[in-house]
Amino acid sequence: QVQLEESGPGLMQPSETLSLTCTVSGFSPTSNGVGWVRQPLGKGLVWMGTIWAGGSTNYNSAVQSRLSINRDTAKSQVFLKMNSLQPEDTGTYYCGRHVNYGGYFDYWGQGVMVTVSS
Amino acid sequence: DIVLTQSPALAVSLGQRTTISCRASQSVSISRHNLLHWYQQKPGQQPKLLIYRASNLASGIPARFSGSGSGTDFTLTINPVQADDIATYYCQQSRESLNTFGAGTKLEL
Repeated sequence: QVQLEESGPGLMQPSETLSLTCTVSGFSPTSNGVGWVRQPLGKGLVWMGTIWAGGSTNYNSAVQSRLSINRDTAKSQVFLKMNSLQPEDTGTYYCGRHVNYGGYFDYWGQGVMVTVSS
Repeated sequence: DIVLTQSPALAVSLGQRTTISCRASQSVSISRHNLLHWYQQKPGQQPKLLIYRASNLASGIPARFSGSGSGTDFTLTINPVQADDIATYYCQQSRESLNTFGAGTKLEL
């Protein structure tokens, strides 16, 4: 069955670079998109960006200059890298399967909490 | 960016019908495709897809959930509301490559 699992450090310092990994199973990242969604504590969902089946990417313009998403298809892993972290980047980061021609997220990981604090 | 507006909270009664609205700042429909989707999120859990493309029930979702709408105005209906439905509901648009979510509507008893 389709599963996604996020992993990465829980605590980061301001100005550092965040690296998160989404490991997928039950499908290939070459058949569907994988996107990242952030949720600040107690707040709503914010789409960060997606790497599509063909390898192209789209990013939220609010973080585009700091964000990159790429993948290792052999390992079924998708990576998020975001530099120049600030405390407002604190939140839970989810990866999800982003359906190609519908644009919805039909499966989600459990999420990983990232705190940015000195 | 397309802004999706939802009411922050909605009081509901168990066993009754309730509707949650989502209004887009511009049309999220292309031809006959309404690129608006609904999710349910409970505290401490990841979001769960309920409805995709405005009116299609996701796999495993009970038939008491339904969606409707087109253009800029969309509705998620729960009928009847059950205790397990107390959660926050988000809409999301994929009309533009810059996807956006609404701020969420929290159902309260």
